Amino acid sequence: KAGVTQTPRYLIKTRGQQVTLSCSPISGHRSVSWYQQTPGQGLQFLFEYFSETQRNKGNFPGRFSGRQFSNSRSEMNVSTLELGDSALYLCASRGEVEQFFGPGTRLTVL
Amino acid sequence: AQSVTQLDSQVPVFEEAPVELRCNYSSSVSVYLFWYVQYPNQGLQLLLKYLSGSTLVKGINGFEAEFNKSQTSFHLRKPSVHISDTAEYFCAVSDLRDDKIIFGKGTRLHILP
Repeated sequence: KAGVTQTPRYLIKTRGQQVTLSCSPISGHRSVSWYQQTPGQGLQFLFEYFSETQRNKGNFPGRFSGRQFSNSRSEMNVSTLELGDSALYLCASRGEVEQFFGPGTRLTVL
Repeated sequence: AQSVTQLDSQVPVFEEAPVELRCNYSSSVSVYLFWYVQYPNQGLQLLLKYLSGSTLVKGINGFEAEFNKSQTSFHLRKPSVHISDTAEYFCAVSDLRDDKIIFGKGTRLHILP
């Protein structure tokens, strides 16, 4: 089976812009979770989608949003980017028990 | 609410020496436990998992972990580390009650030559 894929791998944006990141889960997996990873805060949970519905949500402002399509692919969107949004954004799809992670999208906000 | 504590943010160890990375969790119900590894500029990769049964779990790359229910711990061990083990290690717990997976803040393993 192909693993979790994320696009793009690297992204540079400026403050105030918006960005959309994409994640394709492992075939057959219906749950997709998003995480933000920064040196200072570690791995922080953003949200989880299951069968196109948001199932869990972390403590992030409303500028961070996501959605999941019928084929389980997921996108997350960050509007009005701030410098502090610079991070590695990881997507994970969930099998029966454990999560499988993609390589991440490195977002740099200038 | 459940939580995961990785007591050491960084652990330096000499090559070929043994290492233990500590993980404690708080949960009053049954849990699944995981260790993930993250190499530089990569995503997280599952090292091993505990679901049930034997409390000693063996994973990839020579790592193993022991589940201790009374101490709510799941420490990761390797008898002899290699320079290629340089990475960040994350402990995670899945609460069977609400099906959420919670990650610890990670431990950076530095292998000294």
